[in-house]
Amino acid sequence: DVKVTQSSRYLVKRTGEKVFLECVQDMDHENMFWYRQDPGLGLRLIYFSYDVKMKEKGDIPEGYSVSREKKERFSLILESASTNQTSMYLCASRIGTGYGYTFGSGTRLTVV
Amino acid sequence: TQLLKQSPQFLSIQEGENLTVYCNSSSVFSSLQWYRQEPGEGPVLLVTVVTGGEVKKLKRLTFQFGDARKDSSLHITAAQPGDTGLYLCAGEGAAGNKLTFGGGTRVLVKP
Repeated sequence: DVKVTQSSRYLVKRTGEKVFLECVQDMDHENMFWYRQDPGLGLRLIYFSYDVKMKEKGDIPEGYSVSREKKERFSLILESASTNQTSMYLCASRIGTGYGYTFGSGTRLTVV
Repeated sequence: TQLLKQSPQFLSIQEGENLTVYCNSSSVFSSLQWYRQEPGEGPVLLVTVVTGGEVKKLKRLTFQFGDARKDSSLHITAAQPGDTGLYLCAGEGAAGNKLTFGGGTRVLVKP
């Protein structure tokens, strides 16, 4: 069974901290994505990647960066966490265009 | 940005009743997907529709893609408590590089 694994289910961080959210997929997928999910706002795309060392900005990239050094791993970095980044973060991957996403279970991040 | 609007936002029904969820846009999508998300978990893909007018069935769930590929519907027949969840539609734009998600419809099926 294909899997997308997010390193933490719950995380509490302080304002100003640098935060790393890790995502690993075991399906040899080319495409990987980071979304945040907030009540009333749905899923919003932060960053995505087509291939190793490639990255593209999504709809809300401000305050975030990403790293994809290996095909199976896509990391989301909050350079200096702020309270408005408190959210559910979802990582997803897929084979390519036209295919469905496989999502991880999500990381619920609280910034205090 | 292509927007997808889902309606209703929330639906509460009794077990055995039928329900329909709608997903509408002013933009054309090359394909449209439906996902279900349960509390504390990531969304799970239910179906992908590609051709205008296409109808797909998954047991008691029927999915339809509009002729103009701008809208879609999900119909559940004889809903069961196990159908409870957040239903999300997502469209693939012409560029084909990412999905745009609708705001979701929260469905509660009471026993």
